[in-house]
Amino acid sequence: AQSVTQPDIHITVSEGASLELRCNYSYGATPYLFWYVQSPGQGLQLLLKYFSGDTLVQGIKGFEAEFKRSQSSFNLRKPSVHWSDAAEYFCALNTNAGKSTFGDGTTLTVKP
Amino acid sequence: ETGVTQSPTHLIKTRGQQVTLRCSSQSGHNTVSWYQQALGQGPQFIFQYYREEENGRGNFPPRFSGLQFPNYSSELNVNALELDDSALYLCASSYPTSASTEAFFGQGTRLTVV
Repeated sequence: AQSVTQPDIHITVSEGASLELRCNYSYGATPYLFWYVQSPGQGLQLLLKYFSGDTLVQGIKGFEAEFKRSQSSFNLRKPSVHWSDAAEYFCALNTNAGKSTFGDGTTLTVKP
Repeated sequence: ETGVTQSPTHLIKTRGQQVTLRCSSQSGHNTVSWYQQALGQGPQFIFQYYREEENGRGNFPPRFSGLQFPNYSSELNVNALELDDSALYLCASSYPTSASTEAFFGQGTRLTVV
């Protein structure tokens, strides 16, 4: 069975600082990986996705993620965090469109 | 903003009651998936409907049931509500059905069971 682990429940960074959110997955086949962002009381917005090809993928809002098969990881990064980035971030693994396995999320707090 | 709409946005039910949540999929999408997101957790897959047929189910009891209509909109029904059913229920639509296809999420329905 597949699984997704986000080791960091809560991360606090200062505005303008860099950010890395960790995601590890377990799956026996080619993973299709996603990062979503969720603001309080809202649905999920897709930041970026990895299907194949380049292991560094670019997303919206200045986010990028690097897929490392040897480490079963798909970490999300941003060079300079803005106050509006404060939200909850979810990593997900697809085994079929719409059948996603999610991690438990990382809550990002941005200090002024 | 996606074209997936869910109704109602919030509702409060009493333990033991039944509830129906609705989802209108994005135009052209024939697949709808439902997720339950409890407070402080990631979304958990409930089931998926593809062309009006159930196409996979997560670890949820039979009192969670669903329907998909010819226009691909969908309903999630929950019978005999329990306090632990309190959660944000998310609907996601997609097309076609493959692992590399992105699903688009609605804003969710916040269900509170008292």
